[in-house]
Amino acid sequence: ETGVTQSPTHLIKTRGQQVTLRCSSQSGHNTVSWYQQALGQGPQFIFQYYREEENGRGNFPPRFSGLQFPNYSSELNVNALELDDSALYLCASIHPLGGGDQPQHFGDGTRLSIL
Amino acid sequence: GQNIDQPTEMTATEGAIVQINCTYQTSGFNGLFWYQQHAGEAPTFLSYNVLDGLEEKGRFSSFLSRSKGYSYLLLKELQMKDSASYLCAGVDSNYQLIWGAGTKLIIKP
Repeated sequence: ETGVTQSPTHLIKTRGQQVTLRCSSQSGHNTVSWYQQALGQGPQFIFQYYREEENGRGNFPPRFSGLQFPNYSSELNVNALELDDSALYLCASIHPLGGGDQPQHFGDGTRLSIL
Repeated sequence: GQNIDQPTEMTATEGAIVQINCTYQTSGFNGLFWYQQHAGEAPTFLSYNVLDGLEEKGRFSSFLSRSKGYSYLLLKELQMKDSASYLCAGVDSNYQLIWGAGTKLIIKP
C-alpha cells in the first residue's frame, strides 16, 4: 500500500477524444510525476509537478498537459487521443524531504485503451 | 543521449540464484533504482544504490559500479512469486528517472 490512488482504473476512448486521469498522493508529498508505460516497455517520463508548477517534462507533445492542486492531488489531461496513447499511465509521488535517494511511490495506474 | 540497457528476458529455476544486469548512460548520475513489477500492477521499490558496492536486503542484493556504468540485481533462493519484470532506473542530474525496458524473469519449478 503506497498511499497513492489513481482513478479510473480502466478507461476506453476513441481517437480524437480527450481524457483526464486523476491521482491522489500521500499526505504531504508535494512532488508528483506522471509516466506512460506501453506494454512490454519501461515507464516513460511525461512530466513532474512540484507545488503546483511543472518542473520537468519528458519528450511528449503539448497535447499532454497536467495540473497539480493545493492539496497536491493532480491530473493528467490528454487531448486529441491517438491509438499510440493506449498504455498504462502511472502517477508517482515523492516525500518532500526526500533527496534523490527517495523512492517514488506508484499508484496502481490507469489502463487507457484507444479504439 | 541517456540510455538504460538490460536483458529482455531471463529464465531461472526455483531455489536457484539469478543475476540481472543493467548498464546505464545518464546526463550526470544521482543513483540507480531497482523496481519489481508484476504483470498489470504498478512498480514497487526494491533498492537504491548511489555508492559503489553491494547492498544486501534479504534475498535481494544490488550492486553498483559507477566507473563502469553498471549495476546488477541478485536474487537468491528464488520463489515462484519472484516471477515478474525487474526495472532498472538511473537518476540523472535533474533527479529525473531514466528507465530501462525491464527484464522479464520467468521462474520454473
